[in-house]
Amino acid sequence: GAGVSQSPRYKVTKRGQDVTLRCDPISSHATLYWYQQALGQGPEFLTYFNYEAQPDKSGLPSDRFSAERPEGSISTLTIQRTEQRDSAMYRCASSPGTGETQYFGPGTRLLVL
Amino acid sequence: QKEVEQDPGPLSVPEGAIVSLNCTYSNSAFQYFMWYRQYSRKGPELLMYTYSSGNKEDGRFTAQVDKSSKYISLFIRDSQPSDSATYLCAMRSGGYGNKLVFGAGTILRVKS
Repeated sequence: GAGVSQSPRYKVTKRGQDVTLRCDPISSHATLYWYQQALGQGPEFLTYFNYEAQPDKSGLPSDRFSAERPEGSISTLTIQRTEQRDSAMYRCASSPGTGETQYFGPGTRLLVL
Repeated sequence: QKEVEQDPGPLSVPEGAIVSLNCTYSNSAFQYFMWYRQYSRKGPELLMYTYSSGNKEDGRFTAQVDKSSKYISLFIRDSQPSDSATYLCAMRSGGYGNKLVFGAGTILRVKS
């Protein structure tokens, strides 16, 4: 595609529900990143994929957070049993390879009530 | 204390002014330094990319890195209202994985 796309753009959910966010990277980009951005803060690293491998998930805040990229293209980020503190903008970025420029998507704004 | 510190502003300047944006950091392993610009309701977009210490110029923008002081700067000359955005510094070490560490971002407003 022309750029990184994310869906949904906005998600409102109730505490305790599971949510799944989707990222569609720039086609042919090998590397995909997930970040969490709180209001008034910069993005914070969650995890990344190189194709379908997930070498680093050190930024995931708890075991309620998981991410997948089964075919090395589209990725999903799932938050189980959501809590109010999970409310944030979730950003996806992709790059041609590790060590190269990251291109960010528009983000998914998650609000947990 | 955060690895990367950045004054959130807002910074308000008149059109045509020279703008100076800064970040400090604590991790001496950082080798790659970036400035991203983020417009409202958009994702960050890369503005400048610098490796190690030194200056880099691109049009009205100049990025400076002083690794000895752990201090990086972005200068914008002849600022325009279209430069109004949030500016995020970001940096990473040379290790595998390309994990970026961001500052909080500085809100810049250029008044016409």
